[in-house]
Amino acid sequence: KQEVTQIPAALSVPEGENLVLNCSFTDSAIYNLQWFRQDPGKGLTSLLLIQSSQREQTSGRLNASLDKSSGRSTLYIAASQPGDSATYLCAVLNNAGNMLTFGGGTRLMVKP
Amino acid sequence: NAGVTQTPKFRVLKTGQSMTLLCAQDMNHEYMYWYRQDPGMGLRLIHYSVGEGTTAKGEVPDGYNVSRLKKQNFLLGLESAAPSQTSVYFCASSYSIWDGQPQHFGDGTRLSIL
Repeated sequence: KQEVTQIPAALSVPEGENLVLNCSFTDSAIYNLQWFRQDPGKGLTSLLLIQSSQREQTSGRLNASLDKSSGRSTLYIAASQPGDSATYLCAVLNNAGNMLTFGGGTRLMVKP
Repeated sequence: NAGVTQTPKFRVLKTGQSMTLLCAQDMNHEYMYWYRQDPGMGLRLIHYSVGEGTTAKGEVPDGYNVSRLKKQNFLLGLESAAPSQTSVYFCASSYSIWDGQPQHFGDGTRLSIL
């Protein structure tokens, strides 16, 4: 059974810092890996999706990398802002395409 | 363009009562999903559908039933609610799985079973 772990569970940083969120998964037979953002009381918003054949994806100040063989992904946030405060979730899709397994999330607070 | 809309947003039930959660999407997506989110457990897939008239079990299907009679709607039913089903329920949809399309989520239904 696929298991997804995110470290740290919570992170507090001052505005302007660059930061890295970590995600690890136990089964490397994945179709893709996705990073989501969840604001309190809201649903999930897709940030980046990396196909299993890709190494990284970038969107604005966000960069996600994937090392499928080692079962790891990182989400890099450059020049963090208070508006980045949210919970960040990673999820892996199995090769059958019918199961998206989520990590427990990293709760990020960026202080002004 | 509303995206994914969940109804209701909040509900309190007594043990043994039944109810139906409605998910509607206006993006013409083929795939729809129901998840539950619990503290310390993350999001877990309950049931999903790959098209109108189809449904399949996810990771935690027991105690729930679903129906996809119309492409735009996906219903989640609790026939006899139990306190263990207290959770936040999220519906999601996607156009395709195989071309890198992400899932779009609704804002959730917060359900408490007393």
